[in-house]
Amino acid sequence: EVQLVQSGVEVKKPGESLKISCKGSGYSFTNTWIGWVRQLPGKGLEWMGIIYPDDSETTYSPSFQGQVTISVDKSTSTTYLHWNSLKASDTAIYYCARRGFGWTFDLWGQGVLVTVSS
Amino acid sequence: QSVLTQPPSVSAAPGQKVTISCSGSNSNIENNFVSWYQQLPGTAPKLLISENHKRPSGIPDRFSGSKSGTSATLDITGLQTGDEADYYCGTWDSSLFTLVFGGGTKLTVL
Repeated sequence: EVQLVQSGVEVKKPGESLKISCKGSGYSFTNTWIGWVRQLPGKGLEWMGIIYPDDSETTYSPSFQGQVTISVDKSTSTTYLHWNSLKASDTAIYYCARRGFGWTFDLWGQGVLVTVSS
Repeated sequence: QSVLTQPPSVSAAPGQKVTISCSGSNSNIENNFVSWYQQLPGTAPKLLISENHKRPSGIPDRFSGSKSGTSATLDITGLQTGDEADYYCGTWDSSLFTLVFGGGTKLTVL
């Protein structure tokens, strides 16, 4: 089955670090871009960045550059989204999504709810 | 404030047709392909339309997309209660160097 499976719910405190994951299966993971999208509570979709697993080429949205790090492990077909120091404003659902033709995301993970609260 | 402008909400009766608009500019919609996504309550977004008007496998032909100039449109005919969801347009913005989404439109099937 073609799918993206993300890691589970996270509850963290401000200042803590966090890495969430997204594992692809059922398709050629290495040769397909994977992006990350944030959805703040009750709000719309925001593109964060994208990575090409084969060579780890990464592009970030200007809004998220320097705020997060996107990485990949080809050996496990897994991409990661990492924060060094979380803020309460990072509370959101984070989706990974496979890039299809152009800038279309044709396959989405189930999302990870990250709650940052003291 | 989203770069792409969508109406916050639309509504129509079962069986009717609804149109959702997405307004942008020459740096995004006019010169790039538009995609549409459906987000059912409590679930991840799902691709409905790519490259302005193409339906992925499994998407009913009740859903159709079009683009003209700096605007794009999603039409849904034969509305069903199961179509109640948030709908988002998205495209690349060549000036901002970022993928942009509309603010989303909540569809209510009365």
